[in-house]
Amino acid sequence: DQQVKQNSPSLSVQEGRISILNCDYTNSMFDYFLWYKKYPAEGPTFLISISSIKDKNEDGRFTVFLNKSAKHLSLHIVPSQPGDSAVYFCAASKTTAGNKLTFGGGTRVLVKP
Amino acid sequence: GAGVSQSPSNKVTEKGKDVELRCDPISGHTALYWYRQRLGQGLEFLIYFQGNSAPDKSGLPSDRFSAERTGESVSTLTIQRTQQEDSAVYLCASRRPGLAGGAGSYNEQFFGPGTRLTVL
Repeated sequence: DQQVKQNSPSLSVQEGRISILNCDYTNSMFDYFLWYKKYPAEGPTFLISISSIKDKNEDGRFTVFLNKSAKHLSLHIVPSQPGDSAVYFCAASKTTAGNKLTFGGGTRVLVKP
Repeated sequence: GAGVSQSPSNKVTEKGKDVELRCDPISGHTALYWYRQRLGQGLEFLIYFQGNSAPDKSGLPSDRFSAERTGESVSTLTIQRTQQEDSAVYLCASRRPGLAGGAGSYNEQFFGPGTRLTVL
């Protein structure tokens, strides 16, 4: 039973355009959501997060949107840069349960120059 | 360096052998997590240590898997009698202390580079 799903395994976008990554979850007990970025042969790197009490969080080129009623979150990257090419993982946690992360399967993003 | 370190970076073993993977968390980080990532999949939670509390072992896939942590420092993940399906990248993460619960208490986890385990 996959509690966090990223239905798009890959995404290709032109440099300078917007990248939109989507993530759906099933467990309504999740109260914190994160996006991690991963390059090959490296560990995931934290990108941005959002608490369930908010519906938007912005950090530079990265914005995360949360729609609790739809159990859906998205990551917007604008403008996309070639260095953004990586695998992006959505993760969810319950802060009252040790904050262990439940990850989606990842979306591979390729930004073309 | 100041990041999470893991050793070895790569481990090739024969089916049936035991392996031990090591994680050195960031100094001062009281929470430590182990995850694994099988080829083409997301990360799966394995086990979580928080200070002196009993570890959360709910993600361990079988009793062949165990982990220990010395105080708030090094952790070792042991896999006994390895099987081919154990082949994966094993990732360790640590997190600094947060407030006492609630959505505002979250601090992100910092990951190490992982140990790639191949069981032949």
